[in-house]
Amino acid sequence: DGGITQSPKYLFRKEGQNVTLSCEQNLNHDAMYWYRQDPGQGLRLIYYSQIVNDFQKGDIAEGYSVSREKKESFPLTVTSAQKNPTAFYLCASSPRDRDYGYTFGSGTRLTVV
Amino acid sequence: GENVEQHPSTLSVQEGDSAVIKCTYSDSASNYFPWYKQELGKRPQLIIDIRSNVGEKKDQRIAVTLNKTAKHFSLHITETQPEDSAVYFCAASMDTGRRALTFGSGTRLQVQP
Repeated sequence: DGGITQSPKYLFRKEGQNVTLSCEQNLNHDAMYWYRQDPGQGLRLIYYSQIVNDFQKGDIAEGYSVSREKKESFPLTVTSAQKNPTAFYLCASSPRDRDYGYTFGSGTRLTVV
Repeated sequence: GENVEQHPSTLSVQEGDSAVIKCTYSDSASNYFPWYKQELGKRPQLIIDIRSNVGEKKDQRIAVTLNKTAKHFSLHITETQPEDSAVYFCAASMDTGRRALTFGSGTRLQVQP
């Protein structure tokens, strides 16, 4: 699956519930990213991590949390504080050097029910 | 922070014609400009990228041009084919500080047979 795996493919969340989206890569990339994709708005950065045990907020971090305990893994938790979580979530990874070509996962579609 | 604007939002061309998609960016420190293609239901795929020390780059039927003075860059697709139909995203980032890509809002290209 291109070296970066997201799961699950579809996820349904009830109001007030926290959910965690998984992202795992075996590309030996240092940097990992989470983006949210809404129709007509492109990809918006939620969080990113350039090294293990370190991460930074992106443009729309409110209501989300992440961890980076292992190089291979960068899970995203959508908390109940995120008021409009229904979207397509994409995880990506890249090397830390000057070649910034991202490899994307296949995405998770989250729906609030 | 960086802001990337992309135009047009939709583009319809006849098979064999050329297509041009334009992006502008706001941060003069940005120096890496990739383009991604996203087919329906699939993950974005890198199709071409350019760095600020280069004005133009070609790869078969696709080319990207960069004007750093005006802070805009463009994707050119020649001899379009139905399989070129997809959503195209431009993006920008810099080597230092925040390295994560900032994406444009996307262009839906439809190639009519």
